[in-house]
Formats: sequence, C-alpha cells, structure tokens
Amino acid sequence: QKEVEQDPGPLSVPEGAIVSLNCTYSNSAFQYFMWYRQYSRKGPELLMYTYSSGNKEDGRFTAQVDKSSKYISLFIRDSQPSDSATYLCAMTATGANSKLTFGKGITLSVRP
Amino acid sequence: DGGITQSPKYLFRKEGQNVTLSCEQNLNHDAMYWYRQDPGQGLRLIYYSQIVNDFQKGDIAEGYSVSREKKESFPLTVTSAQKNPTAFYLCATLAGIGYNEQFFGPGTRLTVL
Repeated sequence: QKEVEQDPGPLSVPEGAIVSLNCTYSNSAFQYFMWYRQYSRKGPELLMYTYSSGNKEDGRFTAQVDKSSKYISLFIRDSQPSDSATYLCAMTATGANSKLTFGKGITLSVRP
Repeated sequence: DGGITQSPKYLFRKEGQNVTLSCEQNLNHDAMYWYRQDPGQGLRLIYYSQIVNDFQKGDIAEGYSVSREKKESFPLTVTSAQKNPTAFYLCATLAGIGYNEQFFGPGTRLTVL
C-alpha cells in the first residue's frame, strides 16, 4: 500500500459545481496536511495548510482532515473555469526532517 | 513563484551529456529540495539540503548530483547515468525546522533528444 493514495482522475465538472477531492494515507505519524494547485507547465502553489484533524476554510475552499480515518479532503464551492488545474495533496510528520509525501495528483477541468 | 527562480525553463539534452539545472531563492529559507514530476507519478524527491554544505539523497537520487555552496543556490546536475531524464524538474524551499510548507519554483522541462 502506498503511503498516500489520491483519487485517480481526470475530473470534469460544470461551472458552479461543488468539487470534492480526496486523499487517504497509511502513516499515522502524519500531522501536517497540504493541498497544492498546479497549473499546466507551472510549479505547484500552496493552496491550503492544515494541522491535525479539523476543517479549515478559505473563501471557496475548505480543507478537511479526519485523522481517525486517515482521510483528507478539499472542497471547492462554486467552481470556476479558473480552478481548472492539477491538485496534489501532501503531508508530513513532525520533526526536523520535513520531507513531504505527495499524492499523484488529480486533474480538474471546470467547464464554462 | 515567490522568490524562487529556475533556469532554463526548457532544456534539451543529447544522450550522454550532463546538464545542470539552476535553482536560486531569495526567501532566506534554509532547506531546498529537488523533485522530479512525470505524468501520472506525482512528485518524487531527488535530493534535499537542510543547510549549506550538506545534502541528502531522496528517493530517486541515482544519476543525479547536487551541491549547496550558498544558501541561495541549489543546482542539480543530471548526469549521463540517468537513463530516463526527460521530465519536469521542480525546486522547492522550506523556511526551516518547525515549518512544513514547501514553496516551489516554476520548474524546468528537460527533454533528451
């Protein structure tokens, strides 16, 4: 079993839809959880950052972490064509050796 | 791209040649990382450096080399020993111990002809 599994894509939705992106993980030491957005031929940019379990909201984006189920989600409300990108989940344990473990990414397309 | 520059944006290499990818940052971040991204495979860690003059191998270091002579710079050399070097290469930084968010540069697309 891979340390981080991300739902395979691609995903295509109409404009205005609610999008749910998910990752599961196996390493119970993971404490920090991130979502990155990557536009085509660009570097990933940090979208959301969450510590431990709970929800975090930023505008149309909500990150949710359920450590008991080892499951994280990113919700996008009122999706826009500009949200079309690849979304990568990433996570790491505490400690000085902060190597991130990434999911494979899912490509989202929002149709006008 | 937040103070991380990578050059060149596109690079073409003939088989058997070594090439060096540049990564420079002005964020004053301690740690720097090199990743390789292939379609459908996510990001894989090549090398990382937490302080100047020190670096560690990541998950796929074979065929690559790095140096960290300055805090601002972390160049990656793709050697002829790397059998499948065509990929998108990403450099990232981390503020330091106690931080977990990595920030990425714009990437270099390497193509072997």
